[in-house]
Amino acid sequence: QSALTQPASVSGSPGQSITISCTGTSSDVGGYNYVSWYQQHPGKAPKLMISDVSNRPSGVSNRFSGSKSGNTASLTISGLQAEDEADYYCSSYTISSSVVFGGGTKLTVL
Amino acid sequence: DVQLVESGGGLVQPGGSLRLSCTASGFTFSSYEMNWVRQAPGKGLEWVSYISSSGSTIYYSDSVKGRFTISRDNAKNSLYLQMNSLRAEDTAVYYCARGGVMFDWYFDYWGQGTLVTVSS
Repeated sequence: QSALTQPASVSGSPGQSITISCTGTSSDVGGYNYVSWYQQHPGKAPKLMISDVSNRPSGVSNRFSGSKSGNTASLTISGLQAEDEADYYCSSYTISSSVVFGGGTKLTVL
Repeated sequence: DVQLVESGGGLVQPGGSLRLSCTASGFTFSSYEMNWVRQAPGKGLEWVSYISSSGSTIYYSDSVKGRFTISRDNAKNSLYLQMNSLRAEDTAVYYCARGGVMFDWYFDYWGQGTLVTVSS
């Protein structure tokens, strides 16, 4: 199962909005509404930010939102803050009864 | 509070074995699906294995199938990963991660991770 495709890096200024894409196939992202997004700060464990394409867990800021169109899922962060600087990973359930992650995107807040 | 604490990592020679444990607290362990996810140094996340709440359904990534065995003891609130025939490419931080209650494919709580280093 090949990794999902994410941009290696994105950047934005405080207050701006950014979107991170996550492209898979009809065997994973496109075939199921089981896309999740995780935030990971250096040296820390990942944190769930979005589940099931667009569900935001309790405690996660409403500045984070998720969506999907075809084989591509997206994470949008609005009103960028310095604390949002981190690595972001998408994941999806697959037709092979497995989970595949994206390669990760490093978000820099300028 | 939900807590997941991994243990059992360390240095092992290629071809060797290691057993990781994850002790859970703060929730009804027997009701939740559990997973192992690993991260090689400086690399991204890689899903390793899944086990259903009862232990009756198990899945593995192709990279560990036939070498790793996931199991759980609901009476002890514990998750395990038996790793055999270890290779250099298995070197990673191994995270225990909680799933949902029924065929949910997100990981809402993670442990702090335990480092496994495979080297001679």
